[in-house]
Amino acid sequence: DAGITQSPRHKVTETGTPVTLRCHQTENHRYMYWYRQDPGHGLRLIHYSYGVKDTDKGEVSDGYSVSRSKTEDFLLTLESATSSQTSVYFCAATTGITEAFFGQGTRLTVV
Amino acid sequence: KNEVEQSPQNLTAQEGEFITINCSYSVGISALHWLQQHPGGGIVSLFMLSSGKKKHGRLIATINIQEKHSSLHITASHPRDSAVYICAVSLAEDMRFGAGTRLTVKP
Repeated sequence: DAGITQSPRHKVTETGTPVTLRCHQTENHRYMYWYRQDPGHGLRLIHYSYGVKDTDKGEVSDGYSVSRSKTEDFLLTLESATSSQTSVYFCAATTGITEAFFGQGTRLTVV
Repeated sequence: KNEVEQSPQNLTAQEGEFITINCSYSVGISALHWLQQHPGGGIVSLFMLSSGKKKHGRLIATINIQEKHSSLHITASHPRDSAVYICAVSLAEDMRFGAGTRLTVKP
């Protein structure tokens, strides 16, 4: 995993509650990404960051926000969780010219 | 149409067979990645290519930039190779993924 840690690894939460997932990297990668993986859809980009406090939306960003106050941490927040956000979430990091490294994933269930 | 297309979607092979997974893309890229994901597991990078060919053990990856096509080959396949193989392309600040190829290697 080259120093990419996601927390928590599993979470069950109720509809309407806020949830924050954390991605922590130790390799000083500039770019960080949050993806969700759903059956039949593969990996889809939620948000990404190209530096501290520099973030942008991906293809499935509705209902999600992110923050990157330090190079090593990229937080994904579900403002008000819905059942459609039940998924497996992956964080990735890269320098942009090297291979991408992925976290182990977070399995989120919204009930 | 997805910017990254993989084929086949599913592949079943007997142990020892030579396997090829294909990836075609429609956008300009800075690099192409082959990733592996075991059931319930995380995602591991196998190769990153911007030209030519790379080999690691029984795995070989090739890319043809002009044709916008890459292939992942597995020689002497083994049941432990059973996994989902994902092709991804690096754009300027983003990565786009294929839907993956589910490989099952039977003993």
